[in-house]
Amino acid sequence: QQQVKQSPQSLIVQKGGISIINCAYENTAFDYFPWYQQFPGKGPALLIAIRPDVSEKKEGRFTISFNKSAKQFSLHIMDSQPGDSATYFCAASRSSGTYKYIFGTGTRLKVLA
Amino acid sequence: NAGVTQTPKFQVLKTGQSMTLQCAQDMNHNSMYWYRQDPGMGLRLIYYSASEGTTDKGEVPNGYNVSRLNKREFSLRLESAAPSQTSVYFCAGFSSGRGTHEQFFGPGTRLTVL
Repeated sequence: QQQVKQSPQSLIVQKGGISIINCAYENTAFDYFPWYQQFPGKGPALLIAIRPDVSEKKEGRFTISFNKSAKQFSLHIMDSQPGDSATYFCAASRSSGTYKYIFGTGTRLKVLA
Repeated sequence: NAGVTQTPKFQVLKTGQSMTLQCAQDMNHNSMYWYRQDPGMGLRLIYYSASEGTTDKGEVPNGYNVSRLNKREFSLRLESAAPSQTSVYFCAGFSSGRGTHEQFFGPGTRLTVL
């Protein structure tokens, strides 16, 4: 019940294309769903996050779509650029207590120029 | 502000050796975390500290100990390193406010155990 399942493991997209990464969770107590971006040799950094009271959140070219009934959420990167090439992690947490994050296994995105 | 800093950046140990990974933050985080990152496994929580003076086990605590020395510093100790502990280790601090919260990660320590 604590797992967050992420797919695909790797993704190759042409420049200008749409990158889509999917995550699914089991624990209905989770109420905060962040996405982290990690470049090689660096620590992960928060990209965008959503709460389950909205179905979509957009920040620039990055959009989270959230389906509460299906317990799924996804990251869409519009007009993908070579600079977006990185590893992306979804996560889930409760907004109380210890705020422990449960991370997905990561998606390595490569955007071809 | 330096944010979350980790030392060393790289370390090679022999099986059975001990070492301490250091983490410090200047962002006034109450909570701090230690993760390990392995290919295909994502980020797995080793230990966390919800506040100064408290620590608790995460998902993969075996073979590790931690110390929350003060609010700024949270160290991770390997008493007797094993090849299975070869990994990249990340420390993170936590902040919340205005309906959002975020874990801020350090740059990582790449550890190889031979």
